Order: sequence, then structure tokens, then C-alpha cells
Amino acid sequence: EAGVTQFPSHSVIEKGQTVTLRCDPISGHDNLYWYRRVMGKEIKFLLHFVKESKQDESGMPNNRFLAERTGGTYSTLKVQPAELEDSGVYFCASSILGQGDSPLHFGNGTRLTVT
Amino acid sequence: SQQGEEDPQALSIQEGENATMNCSYKTSINNLQWYRQNSGRGLVHLILIRSNEREKHSGRLRVTLDTSKKSSSLLITASRAADTASYFCATFSPNFGNEKLTFGTGTRLTIIP
Repeated sequence: EAGVTQFPSHSVIEKGQTVTLRCDPISGHDNLYWYRRVMGKEIKFLLHFVKESKQDESGMPNNRFLAERTGGTYSTLKVQPAELEDSGVYFCASSILGQGDSPLHFGNGTRLTVT
Repeated sequence: SQQGEEDPQALSIQEGENATMNCSYKTSINNLQWYRQNSGRGLVHLILIRSNEREKHSGRLRVTLDTSKKSSSLLITASRAADTASYFCATFSPNFGNEKLTFGTGTRLTIIP
């Protein structure tokens, strides 16, 4: 079984530019989550999809962040325009059931550096 | 303030020794989960303990949960160099419509060969 894959693994962009992160969950996992870890701090929840629907996007920092999951398969997270404080590692995770009932399977993350 | 806070932030021990990490949280929970992250990799689920459970074992891992103190501990026995990683606790709280895992800042464990 292929795991959760994220692309790219690293991205370095300048302030004001746009970046799109992609996540391919484990096949058959309806639940997909985005988390972010800023250097040395806690891993923060961004949002949760159930299939193609946004179940909870309460963790999205602001309207510069846009997440989509068209067709309920892979998901993208776009940051436009990027700011310095957006730097961090963005993790995607998927699960069969809701995250309270089954463990999350994480990708290796995308390390985003905004200069 | 954070829901899950691990203690200590960093821990270095000799290979073969036991490692204990603690997690405190603030609100009532349905379950608490521990994850491991190796450098540059994603988080890997280790163990889930429900609010009505007090102790759980998985191989060399032992997790305890004290809901009265709102705390949990993760014990790794007979540590190995491969156990070097960051360990995170995550809590799942019964807040309908706002159900998500809340992670702490993690404990960085270093096993010295």
C-alpha cells in the first residue's frame, strides 16, 4: 500500500510569490488533513476534508491560503501571496475514519521557505 | 496555551536505558495518541489510548493516562539508537463540529550509542 505522498519536498520562494503544495492520500481514505509546523513550535491543524468537502477549516491562518480537493482524491494547498511567516513544514495526513477514531497516516511534509 | 504539552522538550539517554516522556493537556478528551517523527520524515502513529483506559502496551512502548491529572506518559524501554526521534502527543476532544487532533511541541529524544 502506497503511503501519503507530498510534493514538492522542499520549496524556496520569495515573499509575494505563489506556491502550491500537493498531497496524495492513501487510496480509499476519505479523510484528508493539512497541518503545519513552524520551527520549534507545535504542529497546528489547518483543515480537514471528508472526500471533496471541507469539514473543518478553522485552522487556516487567513485568506491567502486556499485548499482544494477536487474529486475527493488528491488535495492542493495554495499560498498566495506568500509571506515570511508562512515558512514551515506543511504536513498532509489521511485516515479511513475521522481522526478521533483511527490513526492518521502522514506524508513526509513539504518544507516551505519564504525569503 | 497549547492543548498538549510534552515534557521534557529534549532528552538524551544512553542506549539500553528507559526513556520517559510526559504530556499534559487542558480539556476533556476522547483519546490521546502518541506519534514519532524521524528527522525529515512524516509522523508515524505509535499508540492510541482511550479516555476510559489507564495503561496500554505495544512492544517496548508503555503509555499511561491519568484523566484526573490530565496527563499521559510514554515509556520506551531498552532504548535503541533507532528510537532517536521527536515524539508528539495528540489529543482528540469531544467538541462536535470542531473535532480534530491537537498536537503539542514534541520531545526530542536522542539515544547515545
